[in-house]
Amino acid sequence: AQTVTQSQPEMSVQEAETVTLSCTYDTSESNYYLFWYKQPPSRQMILVIRQEAYKQQNATENRFSVNFQKAAKSFSLKISDSQLGDTAMYFCAFMKGAGTASKLTFGTGTRLQVTL
Amino acid sequence: EAQVTQNPRYLITVTGKKLTVTCSQNMNHEYMSWYRQDPGLGLRQIYYSMNVEVTDKGDVPEGYKVSRKEKRNFPLILESPSPNQTSLYFCASSTLKGAYGYTFGSGTRLTVV
Repeated sequence: AQTVTQSQPEMSVQEAETVTLSCTYDTSESNYYLFWYKQPPSRQMILVIRQEAYKQQNATENRFSVNFQKAAKSFSLKISDSQLGDTAMYFCAFMKGAGTASKLTFGTGTRLQVTL
Repeated sequence: EAQVTQNPRYLITVTGKKLTVTCSQNMNHEYMSWYRQDPGLGLRQIYYSMNVEVTDKGDVPEGYKVSRKEKRNFPLILESPSPNQTSLYFCASSTLKGAYGYTFGSGTRLTVV
């Protein structure tokens, strides 16, 4: 079974600064997908970024980028130029990539507070 | 607009009173799933469905039922709710390949007293 660990329950960053959220996972699968979801106070789950395990290049989406270290089973999220609207709970998630949709396994989340 | 619609958004009920949380998606997705979110535990899968009339248990199925009679709808049924089912519930859908993750509904906050 897969497990996803987010070791930082809470983090804080000042506006315009950069912050990195950590995520590690455990799996015996060779093909899989990794995701970061954002959950603002509205509680909507919003996909921030995704990474395919067979791609070595780290995914980027505007101010959001990942550091994917497959051998270390690490998938951290970097938020650059933090904005107040980035205040949210962030979840790291794993999905087996066997060609068929399957369970998303989530970490316990990191609550990020962006301050002035 | 492509979306997953859940209702109700908030629900307070009493122990033992049957309830249904509805979920509908307009993206023609084959895969649908229910999750519950609890503090410190993240999101855990309750049930999922790969297509019409095909459902299976997730990690925490006890006390829940689902059905998939139509492709777009995937209701969650609590036949005899108990206080330990107080939680935030999410319905989600995906294409069969799942490579782009799930689209989530806006959540249902359920309180069982």
